[in-house]
Amino acid sequence: AQTVTQSQPEMSVQEAETVTLSCTYDTSESDYYLFWYKQPPSRQMILVIRQEAYKQQNATENRFSVNFQKAAKSFSLKISDSQLGDAAMYFCAYRPPSGNTGKLIFGQGTTLQVKP
Amino acid sequence: GAVVSQHPSWVICKSGTSVKIECRSLDFQATTMFWYRQFPKQSLMLMATSNEGSKATYEQGVEKDKFLINHASLTLSTLTVTSAHPEDSSFYICSARDSGPRAEAFFGQGTRLTVV
Repeated sequence: AQTVTQSQPEMSVQEAETVTLSCTYDTSESDYYLFWYKQPPSRQMILVIRQEAYKQQNATENRFSVNFQKAAKSFSLKISDSQLGDAAMYFCAYRPPSGNTGKLIFGQGTTLQVKP
Repeated sequence: GAVVSQHPSWVICKSGTSVKIECRSLDFQATTMFWYRQFPKQSLMLMATSNEGSKATYEQGVEKDKFLINHASLTLSTLTVTSAHPEDSSFYICSARDSGPRAEAFFGQGTRLTVV
């Protein structure tokens, strides 16, 4: 069965600094999707970034970038120039290949605190 | 991104009563909808997957008769918690996606259910 592991329950970063959140996953598939979601105190799930496994290039969205290591099954999220609004719970998620229902498998989550 | 509207945002009900939560896709046709449950500071746990016009597929350990899911149209899915008890108090989140392997899943804002 596929699993997603986030080994950092809590992280903190100083405003304007950079922080990296870790995520590893386990799958026997070769084609799949990986996501990072942000859940602020409002609890609305917000997509931060997505990565398709067949793409070697790491995805980037403004201050957010990933380090996708397919062989190591690692998918870390780097937040640059951290802002107070980045404080939230972050979930790494895996989605099986096409043809599946598209359900997401979430990691345990990492609570990010941003210090002013 | 597309909009998924979940209603109500919060509800308080008496033990033994039933409560219905609606999930609507406002600007796209949701071929598949997912229902999650989330306890405080924990991850999202998938309860069931529903496809329009078909019976929902429940995850292991989720009581089908307690959590009734209906996906009667391409824009609406409902979750009914029957004979609610205090242990059913939780945060329930729906997500919806269109068809196709690259289709994103968009999340509703969630419903906080409190059973007293």
